[in-house]
Amino acid sequence: DSGVTQTPKHLITATGQRVTLRCSPRSGDLSVYWYQQSLDQGLQFLIQYYNGEERAKGNILERFSAQQFPDLHSELNLSSLELGDSALYFCASSKGLAGELFFGEGSRLTVL
Amino acid sequence: AQKVTQAQTEISVVEKEDVTLDCVYETRDTTYYLFWYKQPPSGELVFLIRRNSFDEQNEISGRYSWNFQKSTSSFNFTITASQVVDSAVYFCALSELTSYDKVIFGPGTSLSVIP
Repeated sequence: DSGVTQTPKHLITATGQRVTLRCSPRSGDLSVYWYQQSLDQGLQFLIQYYNGEERAKGNILERFSAQQFPDLHSELNLSSLELGDSALYFCASSKGLAGELFFGEGSRLTVL
Repeated sequence: AQKVTQAQTEISVVEKEDVTLDCVYETRDTTYYLFWYKQPPSGELVFLIRRNSFDEQNEISGRYSWNFQKSTSSFNFTITASQVVDSAVYFCALSELTSYDKVIFGPGTSLSVIP
């Protein structure tokens, strides 16, 4: 158990819909990372927050947004969903920067 | 721009064989960090090791060893006497000092250890 909690574990929705994925980092970790894992794209870095502030952005679509709240949990919002958004979304946390990442179990999103 | 290449997409070995997973990286920074992660069939990613660019000493942890060579921009991972439980996807990753918030992963190598 990494200590990182992600909800929901599975989510099935329709195209055009909006979903929110939630992540609670390990106790004491200030950094939260979001990754998308699909079969054809591998592990793609989406976005990273440190103590509530956005610090780095990767290949995150404009339809996606995220935030980190004062209690350090984070949410990833995916809107106007398309079939290609079906993937496993991982959240990871770390104490500082360039530290080891502790990953949650992921949220598997299926868009029908 | 930072990039990680893992040329081996899939590898199959028979139990007890040694296997080396290759990782080649690209970076313009002189200070950076390299990582290896394991993703077993259960799906969760597990941290294995982190090295910084100033520490080229090879590391051994049980049956695992890592060979870091800056001259060839490689950070290879060897499993000695492989076991079925080693079957997983292994990812190499890179974080640059100038953008250390961004940890970029390679495409992964799927290792199957056959009993």
